[in-house]
Amino acid sequence: EVQLVESGGGLVQPGRSLRLSCTVSGFIFGDYAMSWFRQAPGKGLEWVGFIRSKPYGGTTEYAASVKGRFTISREDSKSIVYLYMNSLKIEDTAVYYCTRDLMQEEGTSDYWGQGTLVTVSS
Amino acid sequence: QSALTQPASVSGSPGQSITISCTGTSSDVGLYNYVSWYQQHPGKAPKLMIYDVSNRPSGVSDRFSGSKSGNTASLTISGLQAEDEADYYCSSYTSSITLVVFGGGTKLTVL
Repeated sequence: EVQLVESGGGLVQPGRSLRLSCTVSGFIFGDYAMSWFRQAPGKGLEWVGFIRSKPYGGTTEYAASVKGRFTISREDSKSIVYLYMNSLKIEDTAVYYCTRDLMQEEGTSDYWGQGTLVTVSS
Repeated sequence: QSALTQPASVSGSPGQSITISCTGTSSDVGLYNYVSWYQQHPGKAPKLMIYDVSNRPSGVSDRFSGSKSGNTASLTISGLQAEDEADYYCSSYTSSITLVVFGGGTKLTVL
């Protein structure tokens, strides 16, 4: 059974940093690109970024709204993908979802975690 | 404001069919056949219902179908059931820096 479990969310002050983790099981982690999405309270879905699998270079892409502040990395030996969030803004408040990409370079996610809430507030 | 345009709400009675539209541009929906549809029940994670315009993942009911014409994609749900009541989001791969864009979501009410 495919499972994705996010952790690391919580309350953080504006300008501070936070690291989210996503531990996966039930599939060969190294074969898949992984993405992060977010959803502000009462709002729609927003793509944050993805990291390609190592055979595809393990490189990353980001939404314009987080580029330069957020970094995605992966640790294939532990089946974990990370989202490092720096210089957090109030508008980064959202539930953050980790997902498995159906295919590389397509932006479609077939499995989602349950999400972890990040609240940016002073 | 979302990159893709969806109606805010649609409704239908059990057994009926409804269609949700998703309008983009020649840089996203019109350019790529990478349109997806997600279903989200309150407090739950999204669930993939349609990918690559018209493909259904394993386990998704064949009452759900997708199509595309020009810059507009559509999700059709036939034989509406109470459990279909949810929010539906379309997404598309794009040629912009932000590689994946979403519609604002459509709330489906089953009367």
